[in-house]
This record gives sequence, C-alpha cells and structure tokens, in this order.
Amino acid sequence: GAVVSQHPSWVICKSGTSVKIECRSLDFQATTMFWYRQFPKQSLMLMATSNEGSKATYEQGVEKDKFLINHASLTLSTLTVTSAHPEDSSFYICSAQSQGQSNQPQHFGDGTRLSIL
Amino acid sequence: AQTVTQSQPEMSVQEAETVTLSCTYDTSESDYYLFWYKQPPSRQMILVIRQEAYKQQNATENRFSVNFQKAAKSFSLKISDSQLGDAAMYFCAYRSPNSGTYKYIFGTGTRLKVLA
Repeated sequence: GAVVSQHPSWVICKSGTSVKIECRSLDFQATTMFWYRQFPKQSLMLMATSNEGSKATYEQGVEKDKFLINHASLTLSTLTVTSAHPEDSSFYICSAQSQGQSNQPQHFGDGTRLSIL
Repeated sequence: AQTVTQSQPEMSVQEAETVTLSCTYDTSESDYYLFWYKQPPSRQMILVIRQEAYKQQNATENRFSVNFQKAAKSFSLKISDSQLGDAAMYFCAYRSPNSGTYKYIFGTGTRLKVLA
C-alpha cells in the first residue's frame, strides 16, 4: 500500500518550454503533497507544500511564478516548470502524506530527471 | 527552528560487518518523529525505520536498528550484517507533529559504501 506514482521519470526539452510533472497517490488520499528538488550528491530541498484545494506554500527563495503547483484533488498534484532554462535542470521528487494520519511517514514518488537543453 | 545534522559525509563498511550512521538534531519540542531514509543509485526514497519521540524503546527493523537518545538529541542508525545492497545515501529526517504541515527537515546525508 501507499504507492505514489510520479510521471514522467525523465524529460528532456528545449529552453523556454514549460514542463509539467504529475504526482499521484494511487491507493490513498493525500491531503498534503510535497515537492522537492535534489542536486547531485546533495540532500532533498523542499520547494513547496501543497494542500488539496488551496494555494501551495512555497519555501523561501523558491519562485512561485517559475514553479507552479496545483493540487486539484486528493490524489493528484502537479508541478509545472514554466519557461524552463538550463539552470532548472535537476531531479524533482514528490511525496504525499496520508489524510488524517500525522504519525505516518511521507510516501515518495520515484522522481523526475529534468534536463533543459 | 529545528535542524538536523549528519556529520559523516561518507562511511565504508566491510560486507557482513556492522556500521553506525550518526544523526543529531536540535529542537525545543518534546514530541516529534524521526526517520531514516535510504536513497540507492536509482534515487528512490525508501523508508528504513522510524521512531516516535515519546517511545523510549529503540525501533528495530530486521538488520536495521536505531539508538535514540532523546536527552542528547541523537538518533543513530545501526546496520548489522551489511550487504552490498545497503550501499546508498542515507538521510535522517525530523518531523514535528505540531507544524500542521507534516513537512520533513532532512540532514545532508551520509553515503555508505559496502566493500566486498
């Protein structure tokens, strides 16, 4: 149980395009989902916390207009990297928190490797 | 604000031996959750073990166990009978139950190498 699916796993696109990454909780309802960015050999950096039906809460230094987050349902959150540039290339990971289970861990997707040419 | 420190950027262990990864944290809260995650080269984040601060007993999952010292704010991970598949990055994480967001605070990670 507690499976989180993240899609796509790898995307390569040209500079200036927008890229959407999906995060789905397959067998549970997730009131809260998290988006992380990870640079090589570094820890996970929290970008934003999204709650179903409300605006995402962004961490300090994360550009809201660059990284658009939508959490439209209890099973789906999306991250859109708008007008992507090579410096946006990174590994992005989502995770989901079960509804009403504060003592449970976050469940992670397998991540998306984003390469901007 | 809470912080999590992993002071060992890299550790090595011989196959079948035991290794301990350290994690310390700083908090003023009395109740919280602690986690160890493993990230192999595939970059999946795999939950290894978790500990609730109100529980005095150290958590154990097969070959993995923790030494939770609440007063010292220490949460080390012991891996017994190390296997080649244990080679990975290991991240320690703290979560407050009071934040209302369930968000983690991660340490910087320890890369574990297992020598055959």
